[in-house]
Amino acid sequence: AQKITQTQPGMFVQEKEAVTLDCTYDTSDQSYGLFWYKQPSSGEMIFLIYQGSYDEQNATEGRYSLNFQKARKSTNLVISASQLGDSAMYFCAMREGIYNYGQNFVFGPGTRLSVLP
Amino acid sequence: GAGVSQSPRYKVAKRGQDVALRCDPISGHVSLFWYQQALGQGPEFLTYFQNEAQLDKSGLPSDRFFAERPEGSVSTLKIQRTQQEDSAVYLCASSLRDRGPYNEQFFGPGTRLTVL
Repeated sequence: AQKITQTQPGMFVQEKEAVTLDCTYDTSDQSYGLFWYKQPSSGEMIFLIYQGSYDEQNATEGRYSLNFQKARKSTNLVISASQLGDSAMYFCAMREGIYNYGQNFVFGPGTRLSVLP
Repeated sequence: GAGVSQSPRYKVAKRGQDVALRCDPISGHVSLFWYQQALGQGPEFLTYFQNEAQLDKSGLPSDRFFAERPEGSVSTLKIQRTQQEDSAVYLCASSLRDRGPYNEQFFGPGTRLTVL
């Protein structure tokens, strides 16, 4: 079974509007971290935002915020006031057992976001 | 430089050739990871180092893949007798600690390997 599911292969949004990218995950761990990365066409992976499983409040970082619903195992990324430079692939990733050594990331398949002028 | 660097950025190899991909992590970062990213897909884990110790190599697809980090800083991923299915972007990432919350991974720009 997929550990990370991103059901939207592609999304379009008008410039200056908000957009939500979906991510659901599957884990039996109690301690885990959820990360969102942006990958522009140039290829580098850019860290955006983090949500810990014990965090009681939704994470926010500038125009990025998470709608974290632990019981539903979902962590949707909300980008407010979209800009043309937001056009990229967006990956949701999970790190299980965060208090254990060396837990690697498991990435979802990604969502390609296109911002329209 | 302040970030993770990888070299070469692009590598073309003939099938059967050996290749070596280099990663320079952020100075002082304990953990180093290698990922393989096929076109249009998310990265997939290959191997993990804690300093110079390779603690997890469960993601290496075959015994043709070998990684090392002998002094706990620079790492090399070597692929022997390359096959066409090895064509992908190879990403290196490092993180400051080896466990704990937050602890995001910082990624390099990747090496795009094309096997002809």
